[in-house]
Amino acid sequence: SQKIEQNSEALNIQEGKTATLTCNYTNYSPAYLQWYRQDPGRGPVFLLLIRENEKEKRKERLKVTFDTTLKQSLFHITASQPADSATYLCALNIRGGSYIPTFGRGTSLIVHP
Amino acid sequence: DTGVSQDPRHKITKRGQNVTFRCDPISEHNRLYWYRQTLGQGPEFLTYFQNEAQLEKSRLLSDRFSAERPKGSFSTLEIQRTEQGDSAMYLCASSFGQALGYEQYFGPGTRLTVT
Repeated sequence: SQKIEQNSEALNIQEGKTATLTCNYTNYSPAYLQWYRQDPGRGPVFLLLIRENEKEKRKERLKVTFDTTLKQSLFHITASQPADSATYLCALNIRGGSYIPTFGRGTSLIVHP
Repeated sequence: DTGVSQDPRHKITKRGQNVTFRCDPISEHNRLYWYRQTLGQGPEFLTYFQNEAQLEKSRLLSDRFSAERPKGSFSTLEIQRTEQGDSAMYLCASSFGQALGYEQYFGPGTRLTVT
């Protein structure tokens, strides 16, 4: 069966460190992968999109990698701040599929001052 | 603010009642999506419109759920004969583009509680 796996346990890190979140998938052939941030009681906010032929994408303190061989994406936040504390969702769009992404359950990040 | 808006933000209803939610997408966006999200889970796709046409519905979507986007602008999601299992956050998102890969812009959601 198709699965998108994100660590259900919260990631606790100290301010200033790099946070790394993982998204693994099975039985998907994603054309691209997206990362969203979600704060409690709010809708998700788009952060980054990476296509299957791209290895890495950066935006300010954010970096996403995409390894279609390992079937994994890593999401990095460098110089993390308490304001980065939120749930981070990955979402896949399959090759030849519709416009609708399939979301993982998200991983909670807590950055301690 | 020209983002996606949803109304109401919260709805408490008794089991068996009908409820209707509204979503106003970003004005130039031609695609509109409805999702449902429960605690600890990611958004789960319900249905999708391109302009006024409903192009896709989740196979998990019960017959009690119906959605419309009459003029290709705002959309409504109605749930008939609500059940306690319908309690969730209902999210609306919109996007624009002719090709795959366009990010979605989400509204704040409507939290439904069925008692």
